[in-house]
Amino acid sequence: GAGVSQTPSNKVTEKGKYVELRCDPISGHTALYWYRQSLGQGPEFLIYFQGTGAADDSGLPNDRFFAVRPEGSVSTLKIQRTERGDSAVYLCASSFAGTFTDTQYFGPGTRLTVL
Amino acid sequence: DQQVKQNSPSLSVQEGRISILNCDYTNSMFDYFLWYKKYPAEGPTFLISISSIKDKNEDGRFTVFLNKSAKHLSLHIVPSQPGDSAVYFCAASASTGNQFYFGTGTSLTVIP
Repeated sequence: GAGVSQTPSNKVTEKGKYVELRCDPISGHTALYWYRQSLGQGPEFLIYFQGTGAADDSGLPNDRFFAVRPEGSVSTLKIQRTERGDSAVYLCASSFAGTFTDTQYFGPGTRLTVL
Repeated sequence: DQQVKQNSPSLSVQEGRISILNCDYTNSMFDYFLWYKKYPAEGPTFLISISSIKDKNEDGRFTVFLNKSAKHLSLHIVPSQPGDSAVYFCAASASTGNQFYFGTGTSLTVIP
């Protein structure tokens, strides 16, 4: 079956602009995660959805970052007033039930570059 | 406050030999550990996992060892193949939470 997909694969924007990054999880997976990977680092947790609700948003760095999952499937990560430090690869993952032992399946990521 | 550490950024091994990738963690609440493999321009893919109630888990050429007292785990790949060349991430989770904590990765190169 289809894996996790993310669009766009690359996004270049200017400082101060608004961006939206999209994630399509594996069908039937109730849990969805967003991570950010900066150069030379491992993925860093941003937010976790269980169904439509954000069960844990403790990793969002500040209020410029927001994510939604209105129908419990597709999710959108929204970044307002982008800054150069937001440049990174944004990874989305999904898992069947969201337990701590549930394998998370990752998408290919969106590379965001803020000029 | 990196809770999962991979102190070797890179490793080169001859084809057919053993590759040993190491990972240390600081949080004693972690009770589930995973290794992910990542090729360029792709997302990480799950490789193998181990629960804290075990000290070893094996899957084909891949074996993960866990030493809870030392807060250390390692991934052994035997025999190493050129297709194993990738970045390997160690990750950990706790039953009290739901996020994975990742290390910074080790880039493995298997030389033919």
